[in-house]
Amino acid sequence: DTGVSQNPRHKITKRGQNVTFRCDPISEHNRLYWYRQTLGQGPEFLTYFQNEAQLEKSRLLSDRFSAERPKGSFSTLEIQRTEQGDSAMYLCASSGTYTGELFFGEGSRLTVL
Amino acid sequence: TQLLEQSPQFLSIQEGENLTVYCNSSSVFSSLQWYRQEPGEGPVLLVTVVTGGEVKKLKRLTFQFGDARKDSSLHITAAQPGDTGLYLCAGAETSYDKVIFGPGTSLSVIP
Repeated sequence: DTGVSQNPRHKITKRGQNVTFRCDPISEHNRLYWYRQTLGQGPEFLTYFQNEAQLEKSRLLSDRFSAERPKGSFSTLEIQRTEQGDSAMYLCASSGTYTGELFFGEGSRLTVL
Repeated sequence: TQLLEQSPQFLSIQEGENLTVYCNSSSVFSSLQWYRQEPGEGPVLLVTVVTGGEVKKLKRLTFQFGDARKDSSLHITAAQPGDTGLYLCAGAETSYDKVIFGPGTSLSVIP
């Protein structure tokens, strides 16, 4: 296993378009997290899963954001009708159950023009 | 509401100097983690502290968890340019809660 994989690494889109990011976690990890990070800031929590169940979604997140983990393996994060304020690095991380130790992918950088 | 604060926000020092970075909260955490992040990459786990008062050492880095499990510190001895990066603390109030991150301390070590 080579770790957490995220695709695409970079995405440039026009305002109003939909984008989808994919995360493949470490295979034996049950928890999967999505964070958003802007330059020089700490990662901002978006949502997390325990297997296929979505445990929590940030109240700061608009309805344009949705995430799924249909079979408890890979996850997708979709942003509908993108806005310039959505431009950021989207980070995925996985962890073993009940540990706070996260293993991150390299991130997907979104630029909305 | 869980919240982690870090200080200082920015730190620029000369190679060979010592430094300490702080992570504080009003909440009690079951454990705290420290991560280091380089530009364009995801954060990389450095250490986990679990027990109040615990001290862990990783080469020139020393991590301490406060007795009340509400704060932590990271001390770097004889900083090197390779230590440059964004240092993040993170934690969850219980094993079942989500992991949240502090805003980070951006460290620059000048040769």
